[in-house]
Amino acid sequence: DAGVIQSPRHEVTEMGQEVTLRCKPISGHDYLFWYRQTMMRGLELLIYFNNNVPIDDSGMPEDRFSAKMPNASFSTLKIQPSEPRDSAVYFCASSSPSGEQYFGPGTRLTVT
Amino acid sequence: GESVGLHLPTLSVQEGDNSIINCAYSNSASDYFIWYKQESGKGPQFIIDIRSNMDKRQGQRVTVLLNKTVKHLSLQIAATQPGDSAVYFCAENVTGANNLFFGTGTRLTVIP
Repeated sequence: DAGVIQSPRHEVTEMGQEVTLRCKPISGHDYLFWYRQTMMRGLELLIYFNNNVPIDDSGMPEDRFSAKMPNASFSTLKIQPSEPRDSAVYFCASSSPSGEQYFGPGTRLTVT
Repeated sequence: GESVGLHLPTLSVQEGDNSIINCAYSNSASDYFIWYKQESGKGPQFIIDIRSNMDKRQGQRVTVLLNKTVKHLSLQIAATQPGDSAVYFCAENVTGANNLFFGTGTRLTVIP
């Protein structure tokens, strides 16, 4: 298995632009998680899905952030409009119901 | 509460020595705990887990100890190697909640 796949690995964009981060979970995993990691706040859970349905989005910072999971093998995290304070590494992780979470390599986002 | 900026605890050990990384968790209802290792530029990687019905669990060169009385978790690494240099996170979970809560991490540096 290739593990959790994220794209792009690096994204540099200007303030105000729309950013879309992509994730392909491990096949067979029915939980998908989006995290954000910064030096200031560490690793924060943004949202997670079970069987493609959002279960807890209380970690989503504000309305500029949205996440979707149209099918079991794909999820997106969108920021519109992006701001410099959104600069961080965004991780996607997936798991089975009783298993540990497997993390992707992350997308390093820089908003200038 | 939240800190203005995260100051990761650090631990430096000589190659070949044993390392002990500690973690205090906050939720007495947590019943599943995981240690993750994060190398520079990579996503967190699962090391070992333990459920609350156990006090100790051993893996290859790693041992996790759980003290529920004082809500303390530790990770012991035997014969530490340069490849063990990374940030180590503990994470806690309540069965059924599925989301993990991560600690701030400890940076382990192995001196050759």
